[in-house]
Amino acid sequence: DTGVSQDPRHKITKRGQNVTFRCDPISEHNRLYWYRQTLGQGPEFLTYFQNEAQLEKSRLLSDRFSAERPKGSFSTLEIQRTEQGDSAMYLCASSSRGPDTQYFGPGTRLTVL
Amino acid sequence: SQQGEEDPQALSIQEGENATMNCSYKTSINNLQWYRQNSGRGLVHLILIRSNEREKHSGRLRVTLDTSKKSSSLLITASRAADTASYFCATVPYNTDKLIFGTGTRLQVFP
Repeated sequence: DTGVSQDPRHKITKRGQNVTFRCDPISEHNRLYWYRQTLGQGPEFLTYFQNEAQLEKSRLLSDRFSAERPKGSFSTLEIQRTEQGDSAMYLCASSSRGPDTQYFGPGTRLTVL
Repeated sequence: SQQGEEDPQALSIQEGENATMNCSYKTSINNLQWYRQNSGRGLVHLILIRSNEREKHSGRLRVTLDTSKKSSSLLITASRAADTASYFCATVPYNTDKLIFGTGTRLQVFP
């Protein structure tokens, strides 16, 4: 499968714990995006990378959130001191050039108890 | 926050009928894209229309774009039960690469 992959697919954690998600983009894509989607809503942009450089961050990305793409390939999204309001689907997407079609992964569903 | 609004929020039709969804947005755009999402799954790209295009077709899909009214429509012809999903429009604002999604239309197609 050469699509975008995300790991884990589901994560249940207790409030206050840290969690980390991983995204592997389509191999030749240099742009990688993170979005968050809550129930019944459309996805909301969080941040994006061109190669290893983080080019834009949403105001939604509080200081508890950090994203990296150290070698310009896979990316990680870490949430520190999780809160119940962080419960959502976290979606990753990649593209070969912007602005253009973005290809989405299956998402990581986070539940904070 | 989301830029677009979609209308209707929910739509129920019989197989074989056409389904039309509308999307409005707020700022100047580079392009507009439509995505489909089955329940609890990832998003699947359907079609992209650039700001200098007015209409585009792909199979049973027809998309229109009116930049003067900042609106778009998606028409699915001869709908099938498998078309049951949520449909989102997403704009790429000018001078950015990110997608700004609308609120979505939930389409239910009954056999």
